[in-house]
Amino acid sequence: AQTVTQSQPEMSVQEAETVTLSCTYDTSESNYYLFWYKQPPSRQMILVIRQEAYKQQNATENRFSVNFQKAAKSFSLKISDSQLGDTAMYFCAFMNNAGNMLTFGGGTRLMVKP
Amino acid sequence: KAGVTQTPRYLIKTRGQQVTLSCSPISGHRSVSWYQQTPGQGLQFLFEYFSETQRNKGNFPGRFSGRQFSNSRSEMNVSTLELGDSALYLCASSLEGLYSEAFFGQGTRLTVV
Repeated sequence: AQTVTQSQPEMSVQEAETVTLSCTYDTSESNYYLFWYKQPPSRQMILVIRQEAYKQQNATENRFSVNFQKAAKSFSLKISDSQLGDTAMYFCAFMNNAGNMLTFGGGTRLMVKP
Repeated sequence: KAGVTQTPRYLIKTRGQQVTLSCSPISGHRSVSWYQQTPGQGLQFLFEYFSETQRNKGNFPGRFSGRQFSNSRSEMNVSTLELGDSALYLCASSLEGLYSEAFFGQGTRLTVV
């Protein structure tokens, strides 16, 4: 079974600054996908970024980028130029090899301060 | 394009009762999965359906069941409700399920009293 660990329950950052959220995972599978989801107070989970394990290049999506270290089983999210709208819970998630189940970390509550 | 729709948004039930939650996926999506979110256990996978077949099931008791209809709409049922079933139940749909992006609904908040 896979496990996903987010070691930072809460973080805060000043508007316009950069913040990095940590995530580690454990799996015996060689092919898988990793995701970061954002859950604002509205509760709707929104996909922020995804990474295919077979790709060495780190995924980037506008102000969001990841640092994927496959050997270390680490998948951190960097948010640049933080905005007030980035305030939310962030979940790291692992997609199994069969592609039909997400395993989530415990989440990191991020607050962006003006 | 309409998003994933979950009904009802809020529900209050009494211990011992049963409840049915509904999820209408994005048009054209054939995979629907369900997750339970609680403060103590976080987000946990319940089950996933694709073309009316359950492809995967999480580690939940048999009181939790689901089904998917030919139009891809899905329902989940919880029988003999317990206080610990109080949670936010999230539904996600995706085009094919396999590695395709999952779009989540806003969830159904179930409170068991």
